[in-house]
Amino acid sequence: GAGVSQSPSNKVTEKGKDVELRCDPISGHTALYWYRQSLGQGLEFLIYFQGNSAPDKSGLPSDRFSAERTGGSVSTLTIQRTQQEDSAVYLCASSLAWTGAGELFFGEGSRLTVL
Amino acid sequence: RKEVEQDPGPFNVPEGATVAFNCTYSNSASQSFFWYRQDCRKEPKLLMSVYSSGNEDGRFTAQLNRASQYISLLIRDSKLSDSATYLCVVNVGNTGKLIFGQGTTLQVKP
Repeated sequence: GAGVSQSPSNKVTEKGKDVELRCDPISGHTALYWYRQSLGQGLEFLIYFQGNSAPDKSGLPSDRFSAERTGGSVSTLTIQRTQQEDSAVYLCASSLAWTGAGELFFGEGSRLTVL
Repeated sequence: RKEVEQDPGPFNVPEGATVAFNCTYSNSASQSFFWYRQDCRKEPKLLMSVYSSGNEDGRFTAQLNRASQYISLLIRDSKLSDSATYLCVVNVGNTGKLIFGQGTTLQVKP
C-alpha cells in the first residue's frame, strides 16, 4: 500500500547489541517523526525531520540513539549497545506539512525486545 | 510539569452516555492541537483537529481554551466502538514538533 512502512515489525535482541529500525514514509511527505511507546504508556517524542532542515533531536534519550534520513525519504533509527529499558514499540510517522504541524500518518511500529 | 497532560482514566461509561476529556498544555505559544485515537496494539490515527472557535464532527466536539491552555473532547451518545485511548497532541511553539499526552482510556459498556 501507500502508507508508512516500518521494518522489522518485531525484533528480539540481546543486551549490548546494536539494532537498526527502518521507516519508509509516504511518498512526498516532507516531515518524518520517530516516537516510542512503552507498554501502557503514551508516545514519547524522539526526533523530527522536516525537509532539508536540521533535525530536532531533543527527544533522543541518550547518545546511544541516533537517526538519519537519507535523500529526504527513508529514515533509520539506530540504537547502540541496547539496554532492557529500550524495549518498546518504535513508531514512525510522516506528514505532508511544509511548516508547522499537520496530520501524522503512522506506520504499524517496530516492536523491540531486549533480553 | 509535562508539556501535555491528560487524566489517564479509565473512563467507564454506558452506551449512550456523554463523556468529556480534558488536556492541558504548558507552552503558551503552541499553535496546533489535535485529538488522536489509538486502539489496543494499533498505531494512533487522527480523530480531529482542534480549531480556535471549536469544531464538531458528528458526535465529537473539540474545544480550545487558550487562556487556560487546555483543549477538550466531548463524545455524545457513546458507542461500544468508541472504546479506545484518546491522545491529546500539541505542537511546540510554532514548530512541527508534536508532543503527545499519555492518553485517556475510554471503555464503553453495553
